[in-house]
Amino acid sequence: DIQMTQSPSSLSASVGDRVTITCRASQSISTYLNWYQQRPGKAPKFLIYAASILPRGGPSRFSGSGSGTDFTLTITSLQPEDFATYFCQQSYRTPYTFGQGTKLEI
Amino acid sequence: QVQLQQWGAGLVKPSETLSLTCAVFGGSFSGHYWSWLRQVPGKGLEWIGEITHSGSATYNPSLRSRVTLSVDASKNQFSLRVTAVTAADTALYSCARGVREGYYYYMDVWGNGTTVTVSS
Repeated sequence: DIQMTQSPSSLSASVGDRVTITCRASQSISTYLNWYQQRPGKAPKFLIYAASILPRGGPSRFSGSGSGTDFTLTITSLQPEDFATYFCQQSYRTPYTFGQGTKLEI
Repeated sequence: QVQLQQWGAGLVKPSETLSLTCAVFGGSFSGHYWSWLRQVPGKGLEWIGEITHSGSATYNPSLRSRVTLSVDASKNQFSLRVTAVTAADTALYSCARGVREGYYYYMDVWGNGTTVTVSS
């Protein structure tokens, strides 16, 4: 299985800050990388696919980059609703695997 | 707007079978991949497997021997069965819709999750 490792595991920030979360794959996955957001008690919300593509209507303060094994999710101008846990997921091959999550706290 | 509604037993005895069903409302059932995932508190998400509207299933090898996915396309529903459960199967189980765009794949709609506890 392809292992996905996120860093940091938790991160403290303030409203208006810019933050970056990193995801590393155990092997090259090209740009087959998705990001999800999960608020406490809620279902995950799909944020980005193909490493950098926002779905239609997605907030533009979220951006993704990377290819191969190293990827980043950047959130500019943090909003109160952005404080949540973020997961990366590879879709290069099954079984699809996820990072352990990064908890973004106020 | 597509919604997934899931249900099933929240408490299962060790060695028995876990069963969950997910219904799809408001969208096309064909042309997508219907997944099951689980999440142990404090740990990451684990993909269990997926099935198409025609019944073609792909499983996570780590669970393959105990997992069966099925679909009832006439009702826009798909189901998960996990046999011989142990405490290690205690988790939040979620269904999700998988979308393929060219070579890319992502899960864009999720159910609210069902907490399943394995305990006697």
